[in-house]
Amino acid sequence: SQQGEEDPQALSIQEGENATMNCSYKTSINNLQWYRQNSGRGLVHLILIRSNEREKHSGRLRVTLDTSKKSSSLLITASRAADTASYFCATDAGSYIPTFGRGTSLIVHP
Amino acid sequence: DGGITQSPKYLFRKEGQNVTLSCEQNLNHDAMYWYRQDPGQGLRLIYYSQIVNDFQKGDIAEGYSVSREKKESFPLTVTSAQKNPTAFYLCASSPRIRGETQYFGPGTRLLVL
Repeated sequence: SQQGEEDPQALSIQEGENATMNCSYKTSINNLQWYRQNSGRGLVHLILIRSNEREKHSGRLRVTLDTSKKSSSLLITASRAADTASYFCATDAGSYIPTFGRGTSLIVHP
Repeated sequence: DGGITQSPKYLFRKEGQNVTLSCEQNLNHDAMYWYRQDPGQGLRLIYYSQIVNDFQKGDIAEGYSVSREKKESFPLTVTSAQKNPTAFYLCASSPRIRGETQYFGPGTRLLVL
């Protein structure tokens, strides 16, 4: 079963633009994480946000969490061609095992 | 260099054959995981282990088996009972099970001949 679902499924932008992707989930969570995957590679952790936090920043990344709406967003500012990848949210509910969504495929055109 | 490694990068399986995928970590993590990734379906959990000599089934364990005899190693066997094994397999580890960041290996792509 997939707890988190990312939206949109695909996103295509020009270099320098901001990219926003969203994650919605169904049940209460302990924390939510965002991961990045380059084509044919393993996932790389980006940010973890706990259920009592509303916003976190890391470099050009900004993550927000709205537990009342059961949703999170990942904003990448000033996108670069190297940001081209798939982005996944992972939520952990009662079992504490992260459950991944289907991902958002981001293409940044130079 | 600390990290998590998987081998081989590509693996070919014949009908009726069991194959084993290797996963090793030197991060001193207690928890390890196996995921299967199919196009458009994200990651699905096959098995996970919280400590040595213990492992639990995930959402899609049928046709797979694992062992955890050493803290560093968590091999996955794809048995002949798994009728649709073609996929990208990812191994991950974390310090503990509860709410921790996962560190992923580079993956093994399994193809059926």
